[in-house]
Amino acid sequence: GDSVTQMEGPVTLSEEAFLTINCTYTATGYPSLFWYVQYPGEGLQLLLKATKADDKGSNKGFEATYRKETTSFHLEKGSVQVSDSAVYFCALSDGGGGADGLTFGKGTHLIIQP
Amino acid sequence: DVKVTQSSRYLVKRTGEKVFLECVQDMDHENMFWYRQDPGLGLRLIYFSYDVKMKEKGDIPEGYSVSREKKERFSLILESASTNQTSMYLCASSRDTYGYTFGSGTRLTVV
Repeated sequence: GDSVTQMEGPVTLSEEAFLTINCTYTATGYPSLFWYVQYPGEGLQLLLKATKADDKGSNKGFEATYRKETTSFHLEKGSVQVSDSAVYFCALSDGGGGADGLTFGKGTHLIIQP
Repeated sequence: DVKVTQSSRYLVKRTGEKVFLECVQDMDHENMFWYRQDPGLGLRLIYFSYDVKMKEKGDIPEGYSVSREKKERFSLILESASTNQTSMYLCASSRDTYGYTFGSGTRLTVV
């Protein structure tokens, strides 16, 4: 079945550091890929997405590129802020128009220190 | 602002009780989902629904059931709550793959 693997953390960085959170996946077909973010006490929010190979999703300074050859979708940000502290989830949807739900990784807890 | 609203943020129930978790969305979405979130396990799909009165089992449906009598409302039912169902429950809705909206979650404790 489908699966998503991501580094679990916690990942602790200083403000303005470069961020990479690795995500790899296993899926049949041609999945769409997502990063969601969960701030403390809240539900998940869509951060960015990519629907086909070589697409780059971007939002709020975060970027991720859909790499079919390495089955990866790593999240990057050039300069993190304290407000980026949250849990980040990589997810995939294996077609089906979204009706079948998303498969999530276990989440990466990111802590940014001033 | 579009919303998915879960009726309770925190809930404490006793073992053996029947528990209802309610979720309402105002976006006219066809698809609705219930996930549970546990440390070290991430999010796991319990049940989903792609239409009124339709339901499909997710990855971990045991001990749960659902009801979708109206398009905007999707209820998760714990028939006889057990301590291993203590968790954060997240409801989501979508029209397609690209527009999942999550509620704020219900943290359920079964004692």
